[in-house]
Amino acid sequence: LAKTTQPISMDSYEGQEVNITCSHNNIATNDYITWYQQFPSQGPRFIIQGYKTKVTNEVASLFIPADRKSSTLSLPRVSLSDTAVYYCLVGPNQAGTALIFGKGTTLSVSS
Amino acid sequence: GAVVSQHPSRVICKSGTSVKIECRSLDFQATTMFWYRQFPKKSLMLMATSNEGSKATYEQGVEKDKFLINHASLTLSTLTVTSAHPEDSSFYICSARDIRVVDGELFFGEGSRLTVL
Repeated sequence: LAKTTQPISMDSYEGQEVNITCSHNNIATNDYITWYQQFPSQGPRFIIQGYKTKVTNEVASLFIPADRKSSTLSLPRVSLSDTAVYYCLVGPNQAGTALIFGKGTTLSVSS
Repeated sequence: GAVVSQHPSRVICKSGTSVKIECRSLDFQATTMFWYRQFPKKSLMLMATSNEGSKATYEQGVEKDKFLINHASLTLSTLTVTSAHPEDSSFYICSARDIRVVDGELFFGEGSRLTVL
């Protein structure tokens, strides 16, 4: 499974847009890129998933360049409640295949 | 959306006892479930893959005799920490995908906090 590299931490203020970039140079053809959010003492929560180009949902956007060796999670207008750890995971979406977690990015949002 | 539920959410036990943690897929079926462990301020580490009707597959370094996994049905997997010791204290999280969904996302449970005294 492809290894991912993310910044260890990021700081932001309420109302700002936050972009977290993840590097995954060894991504395979059948790998998807999935981002999860985790609050302390809770399980990871799915944010967004994509294969290529751009994906947008009600909470975030995911930008994936043509070579797919990186991806950027964009959180528009963050609030204090967005303070969490964000994980970028790369792997096939097969029923029998787990996802391997990297270190994640701790996002701290201040007022 | 799909929900994965774990029970108990918190458990405290004495050293030497065994603790069972359940993982249920509430509105979907899963032939495979995954168990992770997370230590404070660390990332999730995959422990094992639970396979319905067959033996679990353990990651390197995970003792299969200590962490017993049973996947008796398409909606339930259990993790039993046998003869627990303080170093087994951790946050245990399970996950699963809906077998009916192609390229489906991986759903995670709320986690179970184990404290061994």
